[in-house]
Amino acid sequence: DAMVIQNPRYQVTQFGKPVTLSCSQTLNHNVMYWYQQKSSQAPKLLFHYYDKDFNNEADTPDNFQSRRPNTSFCFLDIRSPGLGDAAMYLCATSSIPRLALDNEQFFGPGTRLTVL
Amino acid sequence: KNQVEQSPQSLIILEGKNCTLQCNYTVSPFSNLRWYKQDTGRGPVSLTIMTFSENTKSNGRYTATLDADTKQSSLHITASQLSDSASYICVVSSFQVMGYNKLIFGAGTRLAVHP
Repeated sequence: DAMVIQNPRYQVTQFGKPVTLSCSQTLNHNVMYWYQQKSSQAPKLLFHYYDKDFNNEADTPDNFQSRRPNTSFCFLDIRSPGLGDAAMYLCATSSIPRLALDNEQFFGPGTRLTVL
Repeated sequence: KNQVEQSPQSLIILEGKNCTLQCNYTVSPFSNLRWYKQDTGRGPVSLTIMTFSENTKSNGRYTATLDADTKQSSLHITASQLSDSASYICVVSSFQVMGYNKLIFGAGTRLAVHP
């Protein structure tokens, strides 16, 4: 089945120790997104890739970086995780919409990051 | 400022009962509105989608309504089941110049269905 896969599902890191989260998709979608979701809050968009073009949200800290080596894979790098970065990180994909309805974002299961 | 507000924040109902969740939005330009269901520890899954010209959309026991004039939407769940326990997120889509849609998320309503 076509899907969005995130690895690992649970990640524990130490304060200040770099960590990388992985997302892959078999949907062949042009756009890939990374969201941060803290407990009982809405997902917050960090950045997205439109093909190879990287688009950073204005309020995303520099501590967060991303790489998209090919259509299928996208990585979220947290250079120096702080306690406040503990959250669920959601990856999503979408195709370029031709119609208003063609914009559904398909979400992965998320990676829950714990910072000790 | 683009915003999506949901109420109530949380809700507890008994199995078999109906409930209605509310969503108010101020998003421009408006493309469409989706309701997502997010089970604990999982990513959101789309339940319904409506454009500005649609008033109601059903998906099984889920019925969503949209009033584009008042910028309000509701999600009605009929004959609730234990598996309906989840967060329900209202998401409004705003079409961007580059051809993709930016999603504005509500904070969600956490629904608990008790036996």
